[in-house]
Parts: sequence; C-alpha cells; structure tokens
Amino acid sequence: AQTVTQSQPEMSVQEAETVTLSCTYDTSESDYYLFWYKQPPSRQMILVIRQEAYKQQNATENRFSVNFQKAAKSFSLKISDSQLGDAAMYFCAYPGGSNYKLTFGKGTLLTVNP
Amino acid sequence: SQTIHQWPATLVQPVGSPLSLECTVEGTSNPNLYWYRQAAGRGLQLLFYSVGIGQISSEVPQNLSASRPQDRQFILSSKKLLLSDSGFYLCARGGGLRDTQYFGPGTRLTVL
Repeated sequence: AQTVTQSQPEMSVQEAETVTLSCTYDTSESDYYLFWYKQPPSRQMILVIRQEAYKQQNATENRFSVNFQKAAKSFSLKISDSQLGDAAMYFCAYPGGSNYKLTFGKGTLLTVNP
Repeated sequence: SQTIHQWPATLVQPVGSPLSLECTVEGTSNPNLYWYRQAAGRGLQLLFYSVGIGQISSEVPQNLSASRPQDRQFILSSKKLLLSDSGFYLCARGGGLRDTQYFGPGTRLTVL
C-alpha cells in the first residue's frame, strides 16, 4: 500500500520567517509527481507546488520551494518570508494509489504569528 | 482552464433524505474525475473514480453512488442519507503518476 507520512501535526512560524514542513512517502515507482496542497479555512484544496521525480532540480514557486530527496523518499516544503495568508492545513500527496487516486498525508496545520 | 464547479456549496439535509451533488469541469475532454470526502479534522477519502462517460469505480462500499452522464459532469447521489455522510465533498479532475489533480471548491454537507 502507498503511504504518505507527515510527522508534524502542527507547526508555527513568525511572520516573515521561514518554516519547513516534512513529508516522507513510499513507492516502488521511478517516475512520478509529488504534490503539496494547501487547505485554508474555506477548505478548498489548492495546489501549492509540484515536483517531478525524474528532475534533479527542486521545484520552486515564488516563496515556496521543496527539498526532494528521491533515494530517501523525502519531500519537504519550505515557505520563505511567511505571510499571514499562509496559515492553513498543508497536505503532501502522492498519486500512486489505486486508480491513481491521490494518497494524502494526515496534514500539518501551519499557524503564522504576527 | 482547470475550472471545476461544484453545486451546491452548502447543504443541510435530514437523515433519510436523498442527495445529489454536482460537479462540472471546463476546458478539457475526457478527464479523469474523482469524488473525495473529508470528515472534520481528517484527511481525504476517495469515494468514486471515473475515466469516462458511464464508467464508475467505487473505492468504499457505502450508501452513496456516482454517475457520469456527460463527459464533463460527475454526480454524487444517495437515496437515503445517514448521519455519517456529513462532511466536505470535493470533486477533482486529472489523475496519473505524472498528472496533476485539481480540486473544485467543495460542498459542505451536514446531515441532521
């Protein structure tokens, strides 16, 4: 069974500082995508960033970047210059479940303190 | 466009009543479509998956059903709602090891 593990149920960061959210996953595949989604209080699931496993270079989207360690099956999300609007639940996800459903971690609730 | 519409946004229904939630997508033909449910404070559970018109796969046995009458329309239904059906229902499109899933805005269902 595919598993995605987020070991930090909650994290907090001061506004303008940097925070890193951790994720590990299990797969026997070699070519796949990995995702971080953000779920604000509205509960809509918003794609934050995507990493292509065959690419050596870590993905970056503005203030969001990942540290992808393929051999270790580790996929962490770094948020730089944190803003109040970054406060949300963050889910790591891998599309390797049956029927290519997304397998999600349990989420990390990020609080941003002013 | 990755636009996904879900209707209604919020619904409060009594136990035993029927249910119909609608999802429509724009800008793509023959998308993979998914229904997920998220209970309060929990992760997402896949309910149904569809690769085309009339093709539905069920992940979890329950009193819910799904249909895909048109290429870009995915409907979640129930004949008789249970209290345990309460939750947040998300429709998504796209799926594959090298494909991105995008989500609709969701429907918040409360069964009383």
